[in-house]
Amino acid sequence: NAGVTQTPKFQVLKTGQSMTLQCAQDMNHNSMYWYRQDPGMGLRLIYYSASEGTTDKGEVPNGYNVSRLNKREFSLRLESAAPSQTSVYFCASSEGGGQWETQYFGPGTRLLVL
Amino acid sequence: KQEVTQIPAALSVPEGENLVLNCSFTDSAIYNLQWFRQDPGKGLTSLLLIQSSQREQTSGRLNASLDKSSGRSTLYIAASQPGDSATYLCAVLSRGSTLGRLYFGRGTQLTVWP
Repeated sequence: NAGVTQTPKFQVLKTGQSMTLQCAQDMNHNSMYWYRQDPGMGLRLIYYSASEGTTDKGEVPNGYNVSRLNKREFSLRLESAAPSQTSVYFCASSEGGGQWETQYFGPGTRLLVL
Repeated sequence: KQEVTQIPAALSVPEGENLVLNCSFTDSAIYNLQWFRQDPGKGLTSLLLIQSSQREQTSGRLNASLDKSSGRSTLYIAASQPGDSATYLCAVLSRGSTLGRLYFGRGTQLTVWP
């Protein structure tokens, strides 16, 4: 069991470039999430997918798009990267998003936008 | 909007000490509260999850308490070890939010020296 995997681990972009962050889980979880972590800000939810085929905005969705490709995979796309999107991005998953559950996190993708 | 605060921001203690990390939240209408551990360059690992109806949870040398009415939680670490060095994050699942949407504190960075 790999748990939650993310690729790439590290990426440098120039302002205006696009890229897709990939996330996959092998725990047969229904719900998946994308967070960003900034110094002094804590983790903030960008988008989530309660189940395959559905996606919803979180706290900071501007500048991002997501795709729930199938039950295993949930990708995050930056169409035109900005320096303000420099951050560490974490993907997480949970069985069904219920109140009794915890979320399982991937190792993160460190993104630097110049 | 739910806000989560963690005090202190950083803590450095000698090995063997018992210590307490604090977490407070502004809206007491929560489903649960979780404590996570984050190692440098790694993702988050769930340590303890306390449901809103519970007062405490224990796992090995860790004990977390919850006082929902006052909006406070503490994480007690007994007989600290250098391997406990990490950042500890508190997160709440608010009743007012979509299930699965966690609100995180900024964390307490713990260093345990031999």
